[in-house]
Amino acid sequence: QQQVKQSPQSLIVQKGGIPIINCAYENTAFDYFPWYQQFPGKGPALLIAIRPDVSEKKEGRFTISFNKSAKQFSLHIMDSQPGDSATYFCAAGGGQAGTALIFGKGTTLSVSS
Amino acid sequence: DGGITQSPKYLFRKEGQNVTLSCEQNLNHDAMYWYRQDPGQGLRLIYYSQIVNDFQKGDIAEGYSVSREKKESFPLTVTSAQKNPTAFYLCASSTRTAGYEQYFGPGTRLTVT
Repeated sequence: QQQVKQSPQSLIVQKGGIPIINCAYENTAFDYFPWYQQFPGKGPALLIAIRPDVSEKKEGRFTISFNKSAKQFSLHIMDSQPGDSATYFCAAGGGQAGTALIFGKGTTLSVSS
Repeated sequence: DGGITQSPKYLFRKEGQNVTLSCEQNLNHDAMYWYRQDPGQGLRLIYYSQIVNDFQKGDIAEGYSVSREKKESFPLTVTSAQKNPTAFYLCASSTRTAGYEQYFGPGTRLTVT
């Protein structure tokens, strides 16, 4: 019930393509869903986050789509660039004080020029 | 400059030795976390602390110990009981544990031979 399943494990797209990374959760008490971006040898950086009262959130070229009934959410990267090549993690949390974020296992994205 | 600092960036130890990893934050965050990252494993929670002088075990606490004597500091000790200590260790902090943005430090890569 505490798992967050992320797919695909890796993804290769051409420059300008729209990679999509998907996550699914089980615990309906979760109410906070962030995405993190990590470059090799660095700590993850918070990219964008959504709460279940909206179905979509955009920040620049990054969009989260959220489907509460399916318990799924996804990250879309518009007009992807080689500089977007990184590992992306989804996470879920909230709903109960004293609980920490649950992270997916990550997706390694490679954007070729 | 606000943020989370971890030191050192690289750490080498001989098997059987305890080692302490430093984590300091000046964001005035109440909650702090330690994660371990291994290739293909995502981020696994070791310990977290919601307030000073209190902390909870995460999913993989065996072989690790922590203390939280000050709000801004959350050191992690990797003991000789940890069977596979070589990994990338990440510290994070947030305002509260449930449903709030979590910010990561740059990480410490520990190698034990």
